[in-house]
Amino acid sequence: DVKVTQSSRYLVKRTGEKVFLECVQDMDHENMFWYRQDPGLGLRLIYFSYDVKMKEKGDIPEGYSVSREKKERFSLILESASTNQTSMYLCASSPHSLGEKLFFGSGTQLSVL
Amino acid sequence: AQRVTQPEKLLSVFKGAPVELKCNYSYSGSPELFWYVQYSRQRLQLLLRHISRESIKGFTADLNKGETSFHLKKPFAQEEDSAMYYCALSGQGAQKLVFGQGTRLTINP
Repeated sequence: DVKVTQSSRYLVKRTGEKVFLECVQDMDHENMFWYRQDPGLGLRLIYFSYDVKMKEKGDIPEGYSVSREKKERFSLILESASTNQTSMYLCASSPHSLGEKLFFGSGTQLSVL
Repeated sequence: AQRVTQPEKLLSVFKGAPVELKCNYSYSGSPELFWYVQYSRQRLQLLLRHISRESIKGFTADLNKGETSFHLKKPFAQEEDSAMYYCALSGQGAQKLVFGQGTRLTINP
C-alpha cells in the first residue's frame, strides 16, 4: 500500500520563524502536492511538483516555497511564519496521470503563535 | 478556471434515510470528477471517481454535464458514513486537483 509520510503531526512555531514541513512517499510517484485544509474553505492547493526540481504554484502560494531535490521527498517552507498560516497541512502524491487517485499523508497541524 | 462548489457545510440525516451531498462545478472543458472522504482520525482518501462508474460503500455519483453537477447519493445512510466529504475536479490534461469546501455529514441513530 502507498505510504505518504509527513514528518510531524503537530508543530508549534513563533511568528517570524522559518518552518520546514517534510513529506516522503514510497511509491515512486511523479506528482506531489501541498494543500492546506481550513474549515469552511476546504482544501486549497499551495504548490505542486510533477518531477524532481520542478514546481508549480497552486492557488495560494504567497508566503510559501517548496523544494523537491529527490523524487520521493517534497518539502514545504514557510520563510517567515505568520499567524494566518496556522492550519492543517496535507501532503499528497499521485502517479503520472491524475486520473489515478491522490494518496494523502496524515497531515501536520501547524500553530503559529 | 476550475471551480468546485459544495453548498452545504453541514448535513445531518437519520440512519436509514437517503443521503445526497451536492457538488457543482465550473469548467469549460471535459472534467474528471472525484469524491474524497475523511473519516474521524483517518487520512483523506478517494471514495469514487466518475470515470469508474462504480458504487463504493453504497454511494454513487452521476456526472450531469447539463447541470454541471456531480452529486453523491446513498439510498440508506449508515452511522459509519459520518465523515467529511470533498468533491474534486481535474481539468483535461491538468495535473492538479481542485477541491470544494467540503460537507460534514452526520448520521444520527
